[in-house]
Amino acid sequence: DGGITQSPKYLFRKEGQNVTLSCEQNLNHDAMYWYRQDPGQGLRLIYYSQIVNDFQKGDIAEGYSVSREKKESFPLTVTSAQKNPTAFYLCATLQGSGKLFFGSGTQLSVL
Amino acid sequence: GESVGLHLPTLSVQEGDNSIINCAYSNSASDYFIWYKQESGKGPQFIIDIRSNMDKRQGQRVTVLLNKTVKHLSLQIAATQPGDSAVYFCAENIAGGSQGNLIFGKGTKLSVKP
Repeated sequence: DGGITQSPKYLFRKEGQNVTLSCEQNLNHDAMYWYRQDPGQGLRLIYYSQIVNDFQKGDIAEGYSVSREKKESFPLTVTSAQKNPTAFYLCATLQGSGKLFFGSGTQLSVL
Repeated sequence: GESVGLHLPTLSVQEGDNSIINCAYSNSASDYFIWYKQESGKGPQFIIDIRSNMDKRQGQRVTVLLNKTVKHLSLQIAATQPGDSAVYFCAENIAGGSQGNLIFGKGTKLSVKP
């Protein structure tokens, strides 16, 4: 998807398990975002990072964690504290003034 | 709280007809709007954007209209094709908010009949 790689495409989580979703970009964009999408719903912001080694909580950060050690990478960990993790997760970078560019998404399901 | 919403959750059109997808926003401080297209199982794709100092903007087969008086945004797709079938989202950015922190509507599903 044009410079943003999300992996895996599908992920299954067992109860009590932490899982990490990968997001890598080669667009040299500073800002990166994680969104959650539930069926028939709009996108909700989980976390975002405007620069390396810095990130901020979005609207639904509880039960999630992130890191931004490199400009290219912004992994999202769904912790066991997130009781309803089943959703489609989208990573995005900021392209131009306010325009987000999205990856292809990861579908997370609970076993 | 203020939010972005859509008038119609689904829209079915005949191939070749024009499509109009509507979006209402309630935050008068919003100054930037974007339309995205999302196909099943994929990430949203940028279609077109418009700033609040404009009323209309045209792209290839698409036009976005902004009516600030009634806080209404629409996406017009000319000569709709089967490949246009997808969910369309509008999004707004509130002036003074963090850049890139868009508020998304729930989406309208466009189905194109052959």
